[in-house]
Amino acid sequence: LAKTTQPISMDSYEGQEVNITCSHNNIATNDYITWYQQFPSQGPRFIIQGYKTKVTNEVASLFIPADRKSSTLSLPRVSLSDTAVYYCLGRDSGSARQLTFGSGTQLTVLP
Amino acid sequence: DGGITQSPKYLFRKEGQNVTLSCEQNLNHDAMYWYRQDPGQGLRLIYYSQIVNDFQKGDIAEGYSVSREKKESFPLTVTSAQKNPTAFYLCASTRNHNLGDSPLHFGNGTRLTVT
Repeated sequence: LAKTTQPISMDSYEGQEVNITCSHNNIATNDYITWYQQFPSQGPRFIIQGYKTKVTNEVASLFIPADRKSSTLSLPRVSLSDTAVYYCLGRDSGSARQLTFGSGTQLTVLP
Repeated sequence: DGGITQSPKYLFRKEGQNVTLSCEQNLNHDAMYWYRQDPGQGLRLIYYSQIVNDFQKGDIAEGYSVSREKKESFPLTVTSAQKNPTAFYLCASTRNHNLGDSPLHFGNGTRLTVT
């Protein structure tokens, strides 16, 4: 299975930029790397996805190197409301192509 | 608005009883998924369905069953054979299981407590 590895937790202060890196081996060749945000007792919410190089939207940037063995989610100028668990998602390159989540990164933004 | 509806939000059952969790989507998505989340843990895949009348086991299918008779609906039954059923259950869908750029859309979950 595609195994994704992320730091378990990170702390930051309001207004800072936060970078969360995910390592993913055995990612399917044609698949995008996707990041989600989850608040307690809610379903995960899509943040951003990319295939390689850099993608930016209104909430985040995603950096993916050429070998696609990792990706870095960048959150500019975080606020208290960005405190959540962040997951990267990779798809297994095997025949089942299961969608496997990593354990997630608990980001805590401090005032 | 299109989305995924899970019901109920909270569910309580006695040990030994089967219970069915509802998941409905109006996104016209082909693929649907059930994940389980335990406190402080990530999401683990229970079952998924790529298309109507088809489904496959995920990593932790034992003690669970599903059906996919309609495109919009993917109910999950937690049977008495599931040894630790108390958890937060999340349903998701995507346009097509084999599309590499098709993100998952999640419902808001059902919290099941079995005593």
